Amino acid sequence: EAQVTQNPRYLITVTGKKLTVTCSQNMNHEYMSWYRQDPGLGLRQIYYSMNVEVTDKGDVPEGYKVSRKEKRNFPLILESPSPNQTSLYFCASSLQGLPDTEAFFGQGTRLTVV
Amino acid sequence: EDQVTQSPEALRLQEGESSSLNCSYTVSGLRGLFWYRQDPGKGPEFLFTLYSAGEEKEKERLKATLTKKESFLHITAPKPEDSATYLCAVQAPGASGTYKYIFGTGTRLKVLA
Repeated sequence: EAQVTQNPRYLITVTGKKLTVTCSQNMNHEYMSWYRQDPGLGLRQIYYSMNVEVTDKGDVPEGYKVSRKEKRNFPLILESPSPNQTSLYFCASSLQGLPDTEAFFGQGTRLTVV
Repeated sequence: EDQVTQSPEALRLQEGESSSLNCSYTVSGLRGLFWYRQDPGKGPEFLFTLYSAGEEKEKERLKATLTKKESFLHITAPKPEDSATYLCAVQAPGASGTYKYIFGTGTRLKVLA
């Protein structure tokens, strides 16, 4: 089954404790990205990756890091989480350079930083 | 600045009462406009992609249209199962030949039986 898998689904952590949210896709997609979703602000792109070893900042990259060492995986790293990073996070993947490049989204990770 | 604005924020319809959702956009070099449906607690699910003004696409009770400044999602004779948040997004140029996505804040649709 074609899917994007995020882990964990729920996470409560303390300010300053480094964490990683994993994202994996099994569709051989080139393009992967991370979003955060907040009430009233909608989905905002944090980082995106056009392919292995190619990453770029989205609209809200501050406080986040990413890496793309393998095509299927695109982890999101919070080196020193702060309460304003409490949010619902989504990973997505899509084909690149073709018509109908629909994005497939993961189930979401609800992060709370206290 | 690239921007996507959706209206209304929320919409309540009676079953069978047709209506339209609006997505207006400002983007330098539109590569595509996307509609997604999002159910509570789930990730967005793809509905349509539109690439050029005048283009229309249909799926069951939904029909998406595109002009140079906005897109409409028409819902004909909606059913309660159409209740969801509908998101509009544009694909816009990013840095150095890349592209990024900009989403609107969505329209929360509730269809009453």
